[in-house]
Amino acid sequence: DVKVTQSSRYLVKRTGEKVFLECVQDMDHENMFWYRQDPGLGLRLIYFSYDVKMKEKGDIPEGYSVSREKKERFSLILESASTNQTSMYLCASSTAGTRGFEQYFGPGTRLTVT
Amino acid sequence: DQQVKQNSPSLSVQEGRISILNCDYTNSMFDYFLWYKKYPAEGPTFLISISSIKDKNEDGRFTVFLNKSAKHLSLHIVPSQPGDSAVYFCAARWNKLVFGAGTILRVKS
Repeated sequence: DVKVTQSSRYLVKRTGEKVFLECVQDMDHENMFWYRQDPGLGLRLIYFSYDVKMKEKGDIPEGYSVSREKKERFSLILESASTNQTSMYLCASSTAGTRGFEQYFGPGTRLTVT
Repeated sequence: DQQVKQNSPSLSVQEGRISILNCDYTNSMFDYFLWYKKYPAEGPTFLISISSIKDKNEDGRFTVFLNKSAKHLSLHIVPSQPGDSAVYFCAARWNKLVFGAGTILRVKS
């Protein structure tokens, strides 16, 4: 079974803090993704990575950065957290190739910025 | 601009009946469509997919239909079970996955 784990299930941070969300997958997947889920908006892609040290902007990258130093780990960084970044954050991974778009998701991190 | 739309925020169905979840899209370049299911406090899990060159794909109680001319796809669940109660996301692929807003399905016993 593919397993995608996220470092925290719930996180509360203050405005202006630097926040790190960690994601680890154990299936040697090439692709990794960060989404945020908001009511009425579904899942929106923040950043993705097709290989170590590679990153691509998704649809809503502003206010975020990412790091992929190892194949199994993909980190999302909020440089200076703001209240509009309160959301559910979901990490996903997939294999390369056609079927690689069947993504495997972690359980999510509910981030609250006060 | 939402390229993938799920216009029904919620759907309530009696156990044993058919559940039909709908999804519309605007981008004719999408070549693959997927449905994901999400329970509370869990990440979405892949349910079923269909290539744009097909019009139907079936997997047990789940069938996805694709109408390319109408840019519409639907997920049929027959028979519906209480354990099917979840949020269902439609997704479409071009160079990445684009997700709809989701539909909450409640199956009443």
